[in-house]
Amino acid sequence: GQQVMQIPQYQHVQEGEDFTTYCNSSTTLSNIQWYKQRPGGHPVFLIQLVKSGEVKKQKRLTFQFGEAKKNSSLHITATQTTDVGTYFCAGIAGKSTFGDGTTLTVKP
Amino acid sequence: DGGITQSPKYLFRKEGQNVTLSCEQNLNHDAMYWYRQDPGQGLRLIYYSQIVNDFQKGDIAEGYSVSREKKESFPLTVTSAQKNPTAFYLCASSIPRLAGASTLLYNEQFFGPGTRLTVL
Repeated sequence: GQQVMQIPQYQHVQEGEDFTTYCNSSTTLSNIQWYKQRPGGHPVFLIQLVKSGEVKKQKRLTFQFGEAKKNSSLHITATQTTDVGTYFCAGIAGKSTFGDGTTLTVKP
Repeated sequence: DGGITQSPKYLFRKEGQNVTLSCEQNLNHDAMYWYRQDPGQGLRLIYYSQIVNDFQKGDIAEGYSVSREKKESFPLTVTSAQKNPTAFYLCASSIPRLAGASTLLYNEQFFGPGTRLTVL
């Protein structure tokens, strides 16, 4: 079945450093979604990528979808303490399959 | 206020008992989903429904059952056959959309606050 791998599992950064999480699917995806889950909370939608090679930006966040539509990345520039949480990708191919997430902690 | 509600927030049950988790949405979304989240792990799809009176098994449907009699409601029953039921259960909804003749895409999923089920 479809598998979505996400790395790294954990990332600890100093405030101001950059952060990147990577998502890889075993199958070609129709689209990919990214979510953020704060500690004790529920996932909140960040963005959806549909086109091959697509790049989208939201302030300090940059999202990329690979040319083969099998991988994606989320990059945060100059992290802030408000960025803490777990970032999930969800690969969509008939149904949604979530990665295990990358938990980001930011040291002030 | 539009959104998804799940109740209760915390639920305790004795081993061997069936328990039903509620999920209600007033977003007028056709598609609804149930996920299970274990500590340090991602969301695993239990069941999903794209339309009323229809639902499909996800990746870990064994030991669970659902119904979709109304558009607004998608209750999940955790049966005694589920071997490790203690987990955080999340319900979500979305508007499915067609891209082309047969390709089904999914718009963003809106999640409820979740129910933490503990089986003692």
